[in-house]
Parts: sequence; structure tokens; C-alpha cells
Amino acid sequence: GNSVTQMEGPVTLSEEAFLTINCTYTATGYPSLFWYVQYPGEGLQLLLKATKADDKGSNKGFEATYRKETTSFHLEKGSVQVSDSAVYFCALSRASGTYKYIFGTGTRLKVLA
Amino acid sequence: DTEVTQTPKHLVMGMTNKKSLKCEQHMGHRAMYWYKQKAKKPPELMFVYSYEKLSINESVPSRFSPECPNSSLLNLHLHALQPEDSALYLCASSQEEYYEQYFGPGTRLTVT
Repeated sequence: GNSVTQMEGPVTLSEEAFLTINCTYTATGYPSLFWYVQYPGEGLQLLLKATKADDKGSNKGFEATYRKETTSFHLEKGSVQVSDSAVYFCALSRASGTYKYIFGTGTRLKVLA
Repeated sequence: DTEVTQTPKHLVMGMTNKKSLKCEQHMGHRAMYWYKQKAKKPPELMFVYSYEKLSINESVPSRFSPECPNSSLLNLHLHALQPEDSALYLCASSQEEYYEQYFGPGTRLTVT
């Protein structure tokens, strides 16, 4: 079936460190891929998206590239800030056979000053 | 404007109470969703409305009753809830079903 796998957290980094959060997916067809961020006590915010292979989504210094050959959509940021501390969810939708949104389990990021 | 609003922000209710959660969007989106999120877990889909019609019910207990009065509004009516229903309830909307979704801030529900 369709699924999303994220790296286990929490991830703890110092300010200005490089961030990678791994996300791999299993899906038939050509799903769209998303990263959402959830700050404490808030709802989810769409961070970036990619709708086809080799697309690169980017927003607020975060980037992710849709890699069909490795079925991955890893989130990266060159220099994290304390304000980036949050939970990050990878998600897919529009896989063949279903239009459902499928979320990964989430990765908690903690950035220390 | 990509805002989805939800009221109330917090709700405490007893197991015999009846209450409603409200969600509103003015982005012209034709699909709206209710999710339930427990602590440290991803959101779980409950209901999907598409063009004001119920499209998906993820086998949600009947003590949760959704309603879509018009294309901008989505309600979730609550009755005879259990303590395990305590969670963050998130509303979302999208241009069409399963395009990128925009989430509201959620209602933190506590059932006593």
C-alpha cells in the first residue's frame, strides 16, 4: 500500500547547523509530495510541495527535491534557527487508487541557541 | 489569504454535553476536512466534504456528526463523547479534493 516513512526524532541541532530530515515513500502512480510544519500549540502549515519527479520545492530557506528513483523527498535547510524548532511532517497525496493524504509520523526538531 | 479559522480554540465538555466545533475558509476551496490529532502523532483523517457533500467518513463513531452548511463553513457536532476523544481537532481546506491542504489552528478538546 501507500505509505510515508520519516526518520525518527527528536533531532537536536545547534543554531546555524545544516538540517536534513529524511522522508521516503511507497506509492503507485505519481503522487504529490509535501512537507508540513507544526509549531507547538498550532495547526499544520504547508511548508513546501512538489508535484512531479525532479521538482524542487522551497520556502523560508527549506528545500526538498522529489526523487522518483530513490522514492525520497528529504527536507534540507542550510542554517537552522531556534525559531525552526517544531514538528515536521512529510505527506503524499494523489497516489494511484486513492486520493487520500498520507502523513509520516513526524520528526521533532529542536534547535539550541 | 490562506487562512482557515476555527472556533473555539479550547473546549472542555462533560460526557453528556452537546457542543459544536466550527471551521471557516474564504479561499473558495471546494473541499474541507476534519482531522483528529493526538499528542505526538500525525493527524488522522475523520471526514472529507467535497462540493458540500460528504465524500469520506473514515468509520468515525456516530457521536461525531459533521455538517457543511455552505461552501465556506464546516461544523463538527459532538455528543456523548468519551475521555479518549480528547485531542486537537483540525480543520483543513483545499482547492479540490486532495490538492495541498491548508489547516486551521485547531480546537483543543478535553472531555471530562
